Amino acid sequence: RKEVEQDPGPFNVPEGATVAFNCTYSNSASQSFFWYRQDCRKEPKLLMSVYSSGNEDGRFTAQLNRASQYISLLIRDSKLSDSATYLCAVAPPGQNFVFGPGTRLSVLP
Amino acid sequence: EAGVVQSPRYKIIEKKQPVAFWCNPISGHNTLYWYLQNLGQGPELLIRYENEEAVDDSQLPKDRFSAERLKGVDSTLKIQPAELGDSAVYLCASSAHSGGSRTGELFFGEGSRLTVL
Repeated sequence: RKEVEQDPGPFNVPEGATVAFNCTYSNSASQSFFWYRQDCRKEPKLLMSVYSSGNEDGRFTAQLNRASQYISLLIRDSKLSDSATYLCAVAPPGQNFVFGPGTRLSVLP
Repeated sequence: EAGVVQSPRYKIIEKKQPVAFWCNPISGHNTLYWYLQNLGQGPELLIRYENEEAVDDSQLPKDRFSAERLKGVDSTLKIQPAELGDSAVYLCASSAHSGGSRTGELFFGEGSRLTVL
């Protein structure tokens, strides 16, 4: 089993749709969780951290489920500009981040 | 404030040739990473520095790859000789040291796209 796995994608959704991505991790000691967004031929950029209690930033909501060892990202009211690849990153304390393979999202007009 | 700066952005070389990439992290960031990213994959760690010290180079193919971070600021990643399979994007990232259990977020440079012919 890979350390970090994500929904294989691609996800093709119409504008205004709600879409959810999941990311599972194998190391139960992991403490740091992030979602990154990567546009085509660009570098990954931090979208949001994921906190134990869950957190929301505008149309984006991140959740952590430690018992099942997964994090999720929910995007509401999808915009064309949300089209990108979404990468999850997971790290145990003091250790390196491990990235998932990413899930590609295409929001269609 | 300037972000992570990498150069060159693009490099095309023939196999068996050497190549070097340079990275200048965000000012004040002690931790520097080199990642490799293949098409359709997430970044994979090659080496991590804490100041001048390489604290994790277990994924660096040491027969042909080398890296250094003199003075704990800029870093270079070298491949000699390059092979066809080394074609990828080489990403540099930095983070501020964070105490406690959480690892600080990574800030990436734009990457150096290598094509080996």
